[in-house]
Amino acid sequence: DADVTQTPRNRITKTGKRIMLECSQTKGHDRMYWYRQDPGLGLRLIYYSFDVKDINKGEISDGYSVSRQAQAKFSLSLESAIPNQTALYFCATSPGQGQSPSTDTQYFGPGTRLTVL
Amino acid sequence: QQQVKQSPQSLIVQKGGISIINCAYENTAFDYFPWYQQFPGKGPALLIAIRPDVSEKKEGRFTISFNKSAKQFSLHIMDSQPGDSATYFCAASAAGGTSYGKLTFGQGTILTVHP
Repeated sequence: DADVTQTPRNRITKTGKRIMLECSQTKGHDRMYWYRQDPGLGLRLIYYSFDVKDINKGEISDGYSVSRQAQAKFSLSLESAIPNQTALYFCATSPGQGQSPSTDTQYFGPGTRLTVL
Repeated sequence: QQQVKQSPQSLIVQKGGISIINCAYENTAFDYFPWYQQFPGKGPALLIAIRPDVSEKKEGRFTISFNKSAKQFSLHIMDSQPGDSATYFCAASAAGGTSYGKLTFGQGTILTVHP
């Protein structure tokens, strides 16, 4: 969905490096999410934010941190990358309560393929 | 802990056939069950969703069947087409509590439809 953009689209880095993945949205949604996708494991939630001042850990937050710079921007950082963080990372957005359409639908960006050597 | 289990991991179907993907969940608080479709190089996109007040929902060739007592739901793709070849994810979320607005995804099914 062009309304949710992620940069970079591909990144190769080395163990121990700090990496930042960025997500921007023009949908005007309050809620933003970061997932990682691994073969056979599906999509797993790393962090989520229901508004600029609300940030919460997901099921696999260890080794990651996030920053919600504005309603439209949500960044994911790997402070010291390790090989098992090699994965496909997705940002998603959804409307907040009272926004339409339904809060339940999440809109995903195109993903960032990260390789940690 | 995987709260939503999806099967099969991969599925090969001939054009015109029926594709069936199954999911089972554990959390009885779940009350929203979407299916997402993902094409290579793209992010997942909502395909169809159901709430437990109905046992079936149909949109074109895609149907969700829901069995609340068994805590299972499935996606049926009728008259499968090569353009349906993609990865499909089931998911679930709860309306309230700490899970509100958070989707728990299944492991994904890679569907290949041969012409």
